[in-house]
Amino acid sequence: SAVISQKPSRDICQRGTSLTIQCQVDSQVTMMFWYRQQPGQSLTLIATANQGSEATYESGFVIDKFPISRPNLTFSTLTVSNMSPEDSSIYLCSATGDGTDTQYFGPGTRLTVL
Amino acid sequence: QKEVEQNSGPLSVPEGAIASLNCTYSDRGSQSFFWYRQYSGKSPELIMSIYSNGDKEDGRFTAQLNKASQYVSLLIRDSQPSDSATYLCAVARGTGNQFYFGTGTSLTVIP
Repeated sequence: SAVISQKPSRDICQRGTSLTIQCQVDSQVTMMFWYRQQPGQSLTLIATANQGSEATYESGFVIDKFPISRPNLTFSTLTVSNMSPEDSSIYLCSATGDGTDTQYFGPGTRLTVL
Repeated sequence: QKEVEQNSGPLSVPEGAIASLNCTYSDRGSQSFFWYRQYSGKSPELIMSIYSNGDKEDGRFTAQLNKASQYVSLLIRDSQPSDSATYLCAVARGTGNQFYFGTGTSLTVIP
């Protein structure tokens, strides 16, 4: 299974600012995904991070608000732009690539926007 | 209609009992089924995957899949207090396809 790390683990940010979250996988993976999990809720897929091309966003999420990069097969970033308190959530990175479609998750980034 | 539905619980069972968690899905094209466990404040961790009708056992855990009924379940035998967590059911059409997560079932194992 892939081992995934995320930075930062948590942050408290001011309204109107942006935060970039990094996701690093210990091996080359096929697919990388970004999720949001609001308190007491399940996981909502934000986008699929595609290596070398633009991310594929789910309904309700747009590139201007959540720009994503994936420069190689082991690394991706998610930026939460022009933040508001409604963006307070846990952001999770996941990846597949062990020959199955199983997704493994990073530890998450807990974001609080004041 | 939600893609994946689970009873939110909470489900409480005494230590040593069998905990039964259920999940239904709407897309008949679904091919891959997963159970994840999520402790409070932690990220989801994979318990089991299942792809074929029938039962799949791994230690104290048994996943059951019935594609005709669009139903997948997880049985936890000899439940332990450390099994207390939220259990998430996830369904996908196949490799490279989006996962659809249920809302999760909260399980408490009472010592």
